[in-house]
Amino acid sequence: EPEVTQTPSHQVTQMGQEVILRCVPISNHLYFYWYRQILGQKVEFLVSFYNNEISEKSEIFDDQFSVERPDGSNFTLKIRSTKLEDSAMYFCASNPGLNDNEQFFGPGTRLTVL
Amino acid sequence: SQQGEEDPQALSIQEGENATMNCSYKTSINNLQWYRQNSGRGLVHLILIRSNEREKHSGRLRVTLDTSKKSSSLLITASRAADTASYFCATETTSGTYKYIFGTGTRLKVLA
Repeated sequence: EPEVTQTPSHQVTQMGQEVILRCVPISNHLYFYWYRQILGQKVEFLVSFYNNEISEKSEIFDDQFSVERPDGSNFTLKIRSTKLEDSAMYFCASNPGLNDNEQFFGPGTRLTVL
Repeated sequence: SQQGEEDPQALSIQEGENATMNCSYKTSINNLQWYRQNSGRGLVHLILIRSNEREKHSGRLRVTLDTSKKSSSLLITASRAADTASYFCATETTSGTYKYIFGTGTRLKVLA
């Protein structure tokens, strides 16, 4: 069964450093997403991506964040200069792009900013 | 209240009992999904219910949806210790990007 994969599973970085979180969505899906979950809190929407551009972003997704689909398979989230409060689990998801379809989530990358 | 609020926030029951969790939301939805998450782990998809459906079953899970009240419930029957986890509802909005809005979650503890 196809699945969304994410690497790395755990990333530790120093405050101020840039990090890139990687995701490989399901191949025939059209919509891609990043969500964030701070420890003990709910999952929050960050950004959706369709047709090689951002289709929607939340207020969390400020200038420090960017997304890219550099080739036909990878979907990346870059945090330019990490802050302590960026420590969270980051989930990638993809969707076929049709109504009423399950959104497929990856296993997550735990980001720890020291 | 926010889109996707669950109650109760925490629930503790004995093995064998039923657990009921509720979710309320504010905007129009295409569907509503329930997820389970073990501490610090990924999201496990449990069940999807579409906006034109009222009830759905999957094994020991029963989900209801009342779009007039903008609410859903998840019932786990004959609970087991392994059901201990956080349970989240997520609504797919009609905004066009199919993004999900997650609820605040219910932390379920099943005591053996």
